[in-house]
Amino acid sequence: GENVEQHPSTLSVQEGDSAVIKCTYSDSASNYFPWYKQELGKRPQLIIDIRSNVGEKKDQRIAVTLNKTAKHFSLHITETQPEDSAVYFCAASTRAGNMLTFGGGTRLMVKP
Amino acid sequence: EAQVTQNPRYLITVTGKKLTVTCSQNMNHEYMSWYRQDPGLGLRQIYYSMNVEVTDKGDVPEGYKVSRKEKRNFPLILESPSPNQTSLYFCASSFGGVQPQHFGDGTRLSIL
Repeated sequence: GENVEQHPSTLSVQEGDSAVIKCTYSDSASNYFPWYKQELGKRPQLIIDIRSNVGEKKDQRIAVTLNKTAKHFSLHITETQPEDSAVYFCAASTRAGNMLTFGGGTRLMVKP
Repeated sequence: EAQVTQNPRYLITVTGKKLTVTCSQNMNHEYMSWYRQDPGLGLRQIYYSMNVEVTDKGDVPEGYKVSRKEKRNFPLILESPSPNQTSLYFCASSFGGVQPQHFGDGTRLSIL
């Protein structure tokens, strides 16, 4: 089955710096890669997603890049703010798109 | 308001006592899914449903049952709960497997 690995497991940055979280996946048939943000005690919420026919996608301070050949994708957050502090999860579709396999999560801490 | 509603939000129970966690969505989504979240393991898919009367196992289905008799409801049943099923559970729904998923607020189950 699909295996998604996410690094780092924790990341601490100063406010205003950039943060990068990386994920690798194993199933070359995966074609949908969402990123979720989960604040403490809350539900995961989609922040950005990318499909396999696109190499990069941006939404204000957030961007995701996808390298299908290497089977890895990354989340980039620029100009980080304290409210960006949360756990971030990457995921990859599997079983012909019927399932999502998640990475283990990255705890991002943005220090004021 | 578009939402996924889970009940109960918290439950402490004992080994072997059957329990059901309900999930309901009001977005007319065809796809619904259950996940469990454990520290360091991310979210793991238990079961999913592509439509009414169509369900399939995810990565960790042992000890769980589901049913999809109506489009809006997707209950998770633990017929004989055991302590290793102590976890945080999320229900999610979407228009399809590779469409953005909307999560409920979660149900924290403790099985003693």
